[in-house]
Amino acid sequence: DAKTTQPTSMDCAEGRAANLPCNHSTISGNEYVYWYRQIHSQGPQYIIHGLKNNETNEMASLIITEDRKSSTLILPHATLRDTAVYYCIVRVLENYGQNFVFGPGTRLSVLP
Amino acid sequence: DGGITQSPKYLFRKEGQNVTLSCEQNLNHDAMYWYRQDPGQGLRLIYYSQIVNDFQKGDIAEGYSVSREKKESFPLTVTSAQKNPTAFYLCATLAGNEQFFGPGTRLTVL
Repeated sequence: DAKTTQPTSMDCAEGRAANLPCNHSTISGNEYVYWYRQIHSQGPQYIIHGLKNNETNEMASLIITEDRKSSTLILPHATLRDTAVYYCIVRVLENYGQNFVFGPGTRLSVLP
Repeated sequence: DGGITQSPKYLFRKEGQNVTLSCEQNLNHDAMYWYRQDPGQGLRLIYYSQIVNDFQKGDIAEGYSVSREKKESFPLTVTSAQKNPTAFYLCATLAGNEQFFGPGTRLTVL
């Protein structure tokens, strides 16, 4: 079972920031928060991951609360091509025997 | 061009027939995975392999079989014992922090 809960769907206006929340209240101290996205009928694509500090890369920013029980993925200027299902996953780093558990995710629709 | 290849993209089979889905990678990654995805659902793990000649069952292995004779290849056979095989199948590798996915094969059993 996925250890995260996410809203089923969200809308965002093109050019605005998309803020996708994720709850992971049972996260362990050595588990990282990962975000992937899946555009329709393609394989999921890695976005970002973090442990406790906020992280930023060319795609997005990840904000993790101080108690680590929730996080938010931020797409700063959403485009139509960001329409996808976004998955929040918690996982121990470099544990090859533990697969990434992809729940149903959040379906983000970026509207023109 | 490095990556994961899954072929074909669409596959049709008659009920009762076994079918093998191909997954090839040139990323030199040891660990490979097979997932199944049904409409509107997340991914469910079928099998994974951490190294050549070794593989482990995932959450929904019944009706499926795999082999890992080469590092580059991890084929998945959907057998007639799989009761509802129509789905989107994704192959993936794992290296460090990141899981890399192939483009997927959509299998339809008629």
